[in-house]
Amino acid sequence: AQSVSQHNHHVILSEAASLELGCNYSYGGTVNLFWYVQYPGQHLQLLLKYFSGDPLVKGIKGFEAEFIKSNFSFNLRKPSVQWSDTAEYFCAVNRGYNQGGKLIFGQGTELSVKP
Amino acid sequence: EAGVAQSPRYKIIEKRQSVAFWCNPISGHATLYWYQQILGQGPKLLIQFQNNGVVDDSQLPKDRFSAERLKGVDSTLKIQPAKLEDSAVYLCASRNRRTGGPDTQYFGPGTRLTVL
Repeated sequence: AQSVSQHNHHVILSEAASLELGCNYSYGGTVNLFWYVQYPGQHLQLLLKYFSGDPLVKGIKGFEAEFIKSNFSFNLRKPSVQWSDTAEYFCAVNRGYNQGGKLIFGQGTELSVKP
Repeated sequence: EAGVAQSPRYKIIEKRQSVAFWCNPISGHATLYWYQQILGQGPKLLIQFQNNGVVDDSQLPKDRFSAERLKGVDSTLKIQPAKLEDSAVYLCASRNRRTGGPDTQYFGPGTRLTVL
């Protein structure tokens, strides 16, 4: 069955530190890839997405992610985190041109940024 | 553009009671999803509608969960009777695309259910 694995359950960083959150998926065909963010008390929001084309995608708030097909990975990066980036981050996958868009989520990574 | 609306935001019930959640998707969005998010886990799809038809309900515990989207717009998810393990956040999402292909799902704020 298709699955998504996020490497870190909880990451703690100081402001200005660089961030990389790992995400691996198990499906071998064409995929669409997403990172969602959930700030405290708020709903899930789309951070960035990859459908096709340039494997390096840029999202909101200075985040970017790189799709490496050979590694089945879609890692999220930010060169310098801020306290306001404290949130839970979810990687999600669905099949390209699939049966209707069902998302498979990873278990989430909680990011705490210390001021 | 208004987002996905859900109500109630919070619900506390005792086991064996019934509960219903409501979702109004973004206007014009054909596809609607209900996800269950248990604490410490990512959301898991319960059911997917396209207009008022069910596309995928393979993960829906049909002995106790039911959902409908009668007019192809808003939707209701019901649990009857509830169990302790149903404590979770129930998320509704919608997307515009009617057929397969890449598109973005937009999520509502969720309903946090606590079963005592």
